[in-house]
Amino acid sequence: DQQVKQNSPSLSVQEGRISILNCDYTNSMFDYFLWYKKYPAEGPTFLISISSIKDKNEDGRFTVFLNKSAKHLSLHIVPSQPGDSAVYFCAASTPYNTDKLIFGTGTRLQVFP
Amino acid sequence: GAGVSQTPSNKVTEKGKYVELRCDPISGHTALYWYRQSLGQGPEFLIYFQGTGAADDSGLPNDRFFAVRPEGSVSTLKIQRTERGDSAVYLCASSLSFQETQYFGPGTRLLVL
Repeated sequence: DQQVKQNSPSLSVQEGRISILNCDYTNSMFDYFLWYKKYPAEGPTFLISISSIKDKNEDGRFTVFLNKSAKHLSLHIVPSQPGDSAVYFCAASTPYNTDKLIFGTGTRLQVFP
Repeated sequence: GAGVSQTPSNKVTEKGKYVELRCDPISGHTALYWYRQSLGQGPEFLIYFQGTGAADDSGLPNDRFFAVRPEGSVSTLKIQRTERGDSAVYLCASSLSFQETQYFGPGTRLLVL
């Protein structure tokens, strides 16, 4: 039972444009959401997070939006750069198990010149 | 400073053998996590240590899997009677304390023939 879903396995975007990565979840108890980025042969790297009390969090070129009623979050990267090419994982946790991250299957982003 | 390190980076073994995977967390980090990432999937939680004790081992798939952290720093994940289905990348992460950002190592790629 996949509680965190990333339905797009891959995304290709031109440099300078916006990248939008989507994530859906089924567990209404999730209250904290994170995005991790992963390059080949490296471990995932924390990118940005959002608590369920917010609907938006921004950090430089990266913005995460949370729609609790739709159980949906998205990561926006503007402007996209070739160095952003990686696999992006969405993850979530519940308030009674904050350290047990539940990950999605990932979306491979390719940013081309 | 040094990040999370994992050894070996690759391990090939035969079905039925015993393997040990090692994780060195970031110095000073009290919390340590093990995840398993199968092909095409996101990381899947296995176990989490706070100090020397396992705070949550609910993700260990069965009693062939065991993890220790005897001195509250280095951790070893032990797999007995390996099966082909155990083939995956085993990721270790550490955080300063619980409910803090998790920093991942590069993983150990285990292949069971």
